[in-house]
Parts: sequence; structure tokens; C-alpha cells
Amino acid sequence: GESVGLHLPTLSVQEGDNSIINCAYSNSASDYFIWYKQESGKGPQFIIDIRSNMDKRQGQRVTVLLNKTVKHLSLQIAATQPGDSAVYFCAETTNDYKLSFGAGTTVTVRA
Amino acid sequence: DADVTQTPRNRITKTGKRIMLECSQTKGHDRMYWYRQDPGLGLRLIYYSFDVKDINKGEISDGYSVSRQAQAKFSLSLESAIPNQTALYFCATASRGPEQFFGPGTRLTVL
Repeated sequence: GESVGLHLPTLSVQEGDNSIINCAYSNSASDYFIWYKQESGKGPQFIIDIRSNMDKRQGQRVTVLLNKTVKHLSLQIAATQPGDSAVYFCAETTNDYKLSFGAGTTVTVRA
Repeated sequence: DADVTQTPRNRITKTGKRIMLECSQTKGHDRMYWYRQDPGLGLRLIYYSFDVKDINKGEISDGYSVSRQAQAKFSLSLESAIPNQTALYFCATASRGPEQFFGPGTRLTVL
């Protein structure tokens, strides 16, 4: 079946370095791709989304890249901070707004 | 997000018991969702509702039922709980677009 998945379940990054979290998807009909951050004991929190007709979108310290040719999505976090430690999920949706989530990448920031 | 509340936050119950999880929102959103999260997995959609008279099954609706009592309230019921329904349950709301706002979650344990 079609699914959204992340390449690596864990990522350890030095404070101040840039983080790159990857995600592969298989549903070429998806309209939106979204990144969520989930801190321990909390619900997922929206970070940024990108529409399927775009290849790059920037937010505050974050950039999402979409490569439709290879069905790959990435989230780049600049100057990673301790507060960025969390589980990051990619999700995709078609125009029915039902989200399909990947399994998540746990990011740990080393001091 | 404090605008989406879930009760209870934690619940331990026994096999065969009926359980209701409640979700309330003050965002004025029409769309509401129930997800389940298992360790190491992303969120999976149980049920969703686009307005008070609209209820739709998600990918894992078996063993669950929902009620949309009002625009602001969407409850999830387990008619006869079983141990493999032990999980984190999240409610989410949305207005226009793909972004969904999640509640803090309910940790349910079925013994």
C-alpha cells in the first residue's frame, strides 16, 4: 500500500549544527506534505507544510524541500537548539485532508 | 495546544469495559479527528468528522465508535476494550487547509 516513511528512526546532532531529517513517500497524488514536531508528553505540533507544486519553503529556522522526482521530503533545521529535541513526523494528504503519518525520527541535541 | 482539550489524560481499564474519551475545542473548527499512536509508529486515523452531521471511518475504525455532539465536541468510544487497544489517543481539529491542531493526548491502558 501507499505510505509515508522516514529514512532513519534516530538522529543525534550537536547543538548549533544544522539538522536534516528525511522522509520518503509513495503517494504521488498527495497535495500537501507537512512536518510535525512532537515533544515528550505532548501532541504533535505543526511546523511547516509544502504544497505539491512547490519544491522549497522556508520558515523560521526551518526549510522543507520536496523532490517529486524521487518522492523525497526533507526538513532542515538551522542552528539546532536543545529545544529542538523531539520526534519529527512527516505526513501527507490529498485534498480530503486525511493525514497519513510516517513513523517518526527522534532528534537528540547534544550540548 | 490549550485550545484542544482531551479527558481523561490517563486511563487504566480492564478488558471488556466500555470506555469513552472526550475531546473539546474552542477554536471554532468544523473538522475534528481521532488518531491512535503506538510506540515507534506514526499516528493512524480512527475516525473523522467534517461537521456535526458528518462522520467518516478512518483506516483503523474497527472496535471504535464516535459521536459528534456539537461542533466543539467529538468523543471516541471503545465498546468493549481489548489489550491491543492500549495506546496514546489524540484528537485534532482543523479549519481550512491541511494544518491540524492536536490535543495533549490520552494514554489508555487496557489490562
